[in-house]
Amino acid sequence: DSGVTQTPKHLITATGQRVTLRCSPRSGDLSVYWYQQSLDQGLQFLIQYYNGEERAKGNILERFSAQQFPDLHSELNLSSLELGDSALYFCASSVDAGANQPQHFGDGTRLSIL
Amino acid sequence: KNQVEQSPQSLIILEGKNCTLQCNYTVSPFSNLRWYKQDTGRGPVSLTIMTFSENTKSNGRYTATLDADTKQSSLHITASQLSDSASYICVVSGGVTGTASKLTFGTGTRLQVTL
Repeated sequence: DSGVTQTPKHLITATGQRVTLRCSPRSGDLSVYWYQQSLDQGLQFLIQYYNGEERAKGNILERFSAQQFPDLHSELNLSSLELGDSALYFCASSVDAGANQPQHFGDGTRLSIL
Repeated sequence: KNQVEQSPQSLIILEGKNCTLQCNYTVSPFSNLRWYKQDTGRGPVSLTIMTFSENTKSNGRYTATLDADTKQSSLHITASQLSDSASYICVVSGGVTGTASKLTFGTGTRLQVTL
């Protein structure tokens, strides 16, 4: 058990809809990362937050947004959903924002767009 | 363009045998290289993290090597077990240590250990 909790585990919705994925980092970790893993593209880094502030952006679409709250949990909002957004979305956390910190992953949210 | 290539794409070995997975990268600047193990339906689990100055790091039966000159890394698994069946992902971090990193992921090697 990594200590990172993601909810929900599965989500099924339709095109055009909006969903929110939630992540609780390990106790004591200040940095949260979001990743997308699809069958054809592997893992892709989306965005990183550290202590409530955005620290790095990867291949995150404009339809997607995230935030980290004062209690350090994070939410990833996906809107105007398309079929291609179907994927596993992982959250990871680390103690700080250092580039050499190990990241601890949750077990992901599987998003299916019908 | 930053890229991480892994080989082979998939591998089947007998339980108890050793194997070596390869990772070649073209990421600059280089901060660190990580190997992750990902079981089906689970999140990745960190095996090793190596910075520029490290050329070998072990974690139990897993040993990673790094040649920063040739930009190659390998993950050697000794005395394989059925529980080693998983995808192994190489990730290279490019950026200045201590700041937000940019990560480039390989597509992974799917390892199956059989009886």
